[in-house]
Amino acid sequence: DAKTTQPNSMESNEEEPVHLPCNHSTISGTDYIHWYRQLPSQGPEYVIHGLTSNVNNRMASLAIAEDRKSSTLILHRATLRDAAVYYCILRDRGDSGGSNYKLTFGKGTLLTVNP
Amino acid sequence: EAGVVQSPRYKIIEKKQPVAFWCNPISGHNTLYWYLQNLGQGPELLIRYENEEAVDDSQLPKDRFSAERLKGVDSTLKIQPAELGDSAVYLCASSLGLAGGYNEQFFGPGTRLTVL
Repeated sequence: DAKTTQPNSMESNEEEPVHLPCNHSTISGTDYIHWYRQLPSQGPEYVIHGLTSNVNNRMASLAIAEDRKSSTLILHRATLRDAAVYYCILRDRGDSGGSNYKLTFGKGTLLTVNP
Repeated sequence: EAGVVQSPRYKIIEKKQPVAFWCNPISGHNTLYWYLQNLGQGPELLIRYENEEAVDDSQLPKDRFSAERLKGVDSTLKIQPAELGDSAVYLCASSLGLAGGYNEQFFGPGTRLTVL
């Protein structure tokens, strides 16, 4: 499995933008970049995913480097509810090669949001 | 719409005792996953089902762990006998399982197991 590298922790202030980096230098051409987050005492939840182009949704933006060896999750205005562990994951297509896939989680980045 | 339901939320048992966790996925989701999450770590996949079939159980310790999804809907994960090192959060997730499409995984809140 292609691996990702994330900082162990980051800190931000409420209502300020947050840029969460992820390095994935061994990414293959067909690997999607996924971000999930896990709030305290909850299961992970999907945030966003992309392949080559930058992506935006209601939760966040994903900026992907041109060589795809790194990406950045952007929270435009952090709130206290954004305090969580953020996981950057490369999709493993598994043995079926189909649409169902295994997510290989690392330790993620613990984001603390200060009021 | 109800999310992934897991029960119990918490379980405390003594070592060598059996324990079972139950998961009801989101209605219509064909794919079901069981993950194990140790403290301070990300979740690790134990087993993945597509309908009733376990398509990936390579990480399931089969000497003491078993799982079933008899009717392709809800699922049970069992440990017998439990060991101290099994203390962790057991997460269930489900996804639609559409061929060729993106299949976001939806996670339940997990069952926190403590083995004494």
